[in-house]
Amino acid sequence: GQQLNQSPQSMFIQEGEDVSMNCTSSSIFNTWLWYKQEPGEGPVLLIALYKAGELTSNGRLTAQFGITRKDSFLNISASIPSDVGIYFCAGDSGGGADGLTFGKGTHLIIQP
Amino acid sequence: EAGVAQSPRYKIIEKRQSVAFWCNPISGHATLYWYQQILGQGPKLLIQFQNNGVVDDSQLPKDRFSAERLKGVDSTLKIQPAKLEDSAVYLCASSLDGRQPQHFGDGTRLSIL
Repeated sequence: GQQLNQSPQSMFIQEGEDVSMNCTSSSIFNTWLWYKQEPGEGPVLLIALYKAGELTSNGRLTAQFGITRKDSFLNISASIPSDVGIYFCAGDSGGGADGLTFGKGTHLIIQP
Repeated sequence: EAGVAQSPRYKIIEKRQSVAFWCNPISGHATLYWYQQILGQGPKLLIQFQNNGVVDDSQLPKDRFSAERLKGVDSTLKIQPAKLEDSAVYLCASSLDGRQPQHFGDGTRLSIL
């Protein structure tokens, strides 16, 4: 089946630093999504990308849909303590007949 | 708008027992999904419904897992009998029509003793 390789697995950063994480796939996806999950909660949608090459921002978050449709990245600028959590990329093959394929997540830890 | 509701939040059972989870999707959302999230991994799709019909259940272990969405709104997921490896968080998600982004509930955390 389809697999997503998400990296890094974890990040230890200082407050105020910028963060970058990415996701690659051996298969093409028609939609890329980025979710954030905090302990005891379900994933919360951050950004959805629908077109190859698309660059979308949501506040301090910026994500891009790779031109090959096999990769995506998420950047967080000027990190703050509430950014702590696990960030998941997810790919959707499209057509409305498939669920999402998730990466294993990037665990973001912000050191005081 | 109210989000996806799931219950119970936690469940502890012994292996070989049965368990059921309930999900109420966002109002008006036709597509409903059940995912299994094992500790340290991303969610994995178990089953997808479009209204009251199954669209994809290829990854559902049908010898022990079953799910239904009889009236096209609420859904239940059942495990019978449970195995130790079923310990996970079971997440329900819904989408307006399967093409719009999925929104997740907070899940049911299942522990098998």
